[in-house]
Amino acid sequence: DAGVTQSPTHLIKTRGQHVTLRCSPISGHKSVSWYQQVLGQGPQFIFQYYEKEERGRGNFPDRFSARQFPNYSSELNVNALLLGDSALYLCASTKWDFSTDTQYFGPGTRLTVL
Amino acid sequence: QKEVEQNSGPLSVPEGAIASLNCTYSDRGSQSFFWYRQYSGKSPELIMFIYSNGDKEDGRFTAQLNKASQYVSLLIRDSQPSDSATYLCAVNDAGGTSYGKLTFGQGTILTVHP
Repeated sequence: DAGVTQSPTHLIKTRGQHVTLRCSPISGHKSVSWYQQVLGQGPQFIFQYYEKEERGRGNFPDRFSARQFPNYSSELNVNALLLGDSALYLCASTKWDFSTDTQYFGPGTRLTVL
Repeated sequence: QKEVEQNSGPLSVPEGAIASLNCTYSDRGSQSFFWYRQYSGKSPELIMFIYSNGDKEDGRFTAQLNKASQYVSLLIRDSQPSDSATYLCAVNDAGGTSYGKLTFGQGTILTVHP
């Protein structure tokens, strides 16, 4: 089975621009979570979506938004990019059948803001 | 603020030795605990999860959980140079608004030298 996929792999933007990152979960998984990982730190939770509804939000500004589609894929949008938004953005997929909450990560999108 | 603490290392062990990685967490209500391995420039890869007090073994890996002490560890037996990576401890968000939120430690860098 295919794992979690993310696109694009790498992205370079300038300050003030907007970016959209995409994620497709593992087949049969209904929940997607987004994380930001800056160099030298563990991933930080941004959002979780399940059945197209936001189920959790981390401590990130309103410039960050996301949505989930009927096929369970998801987009993360970041507006008015800042230099500090440069990071590895990770998408994690969870089956969420209440027997397991194990999250499986995609390869990530490396965002560089200049 | 729910926290997960890891010794950032680096932890250096000789090939064939046992590597011991430790993690403490602040949220006494946490129920699920995960160890991820992350190679440089790559995304986190799930190694093990543990839900109950005690030991859980999977091949060369053993996870240990002590909820009373709020402590979880990972032992790697017969360490190989290919085990050299950053090991991330993650804890679920129990009792919060998000079922799918993991809180990560900063990671421990492990180096296995021949």
